[in-house]
Amino acid sequence: KNEVEQSPQNLTAQEGEFITINCSYSVGISALHWLQQHPGGGIVSLFMLSSGKKKHGRLIATINIQEKHSSLHITASHPRDSAVYICAVELRTSGSRLTFGEGTQLTVNP
Amino acid sequence: NAGVTQTPKFRVLKTGQSMTLLCAQDMNHEYMYWYRQDPGMGLRLIHYSVGEGTTAKGEVPDGYNVSRLKKQNFLLGLESAAPSQTSVYFCASSAWVTSTDTQYFGPGTRLTVL
Repeated sequence: KNEVEQSPQNLTAQEGEFITINCSYSVGISALHWLQQHPGGGIVSLFMLSSGKKKHGRLIATINIQEKHSSLHITASHPRDSAVYICAVELRTSGSRLTFGEGTQLTVNP
Repeated sequence: NAGVTQTPKFRVLKTGQSMTLLCAQDMNHEYMYWYRQDPGMGLRLIHYSVGEGTTAKGEVPDGYNVSRLKKQNFLLGLESAAPSQTSVYFCASSAWVTSTDTQYFGPGTRLTVL
């Protein structure tokens, strides 16, 4: 079993829909990251959080440390949000190193 | 600032050939990382460095070597390439203040070993 599990693996939505991507982890962490991988392959960091909630534009990330669970929400989705969204955790025992989930492929249709 | 750059962007090797991938960052970051990304798997850490002159093994280090002679550069070497090393390779860097910071990724190198 992977230490980081994402769901769903694939998600198709219509423009304007509210989207949720989930990430569960099985070990103690010091921080959790959400990243976006564009269709061209580039990877950018969206959020790094260790508690609570962060918001940037239409993106919201939440984490529940007790339940070992994080969600990434996209409000008013747009076709340009189509990408792979990756959850990664910094394990308490591994310093700065990240352990990655397999990613969620999001497609938003116009 | 260019951020994190990688050269080359694409490469095709024959089994047994060697090559070096170069990663450069201009953000004065202490930490640098090499990952590989394969279909159906998450990114996996090959080697990393916590400062100039230091390197450490990650999750999948076999068949690779690294060097960090200058703070801004992190080199990944394949001494004798194998088809199993066909992958997309990403370099990343991050700062360290009181704790780790966001990782900044390079554009990737697509390597095919025939």
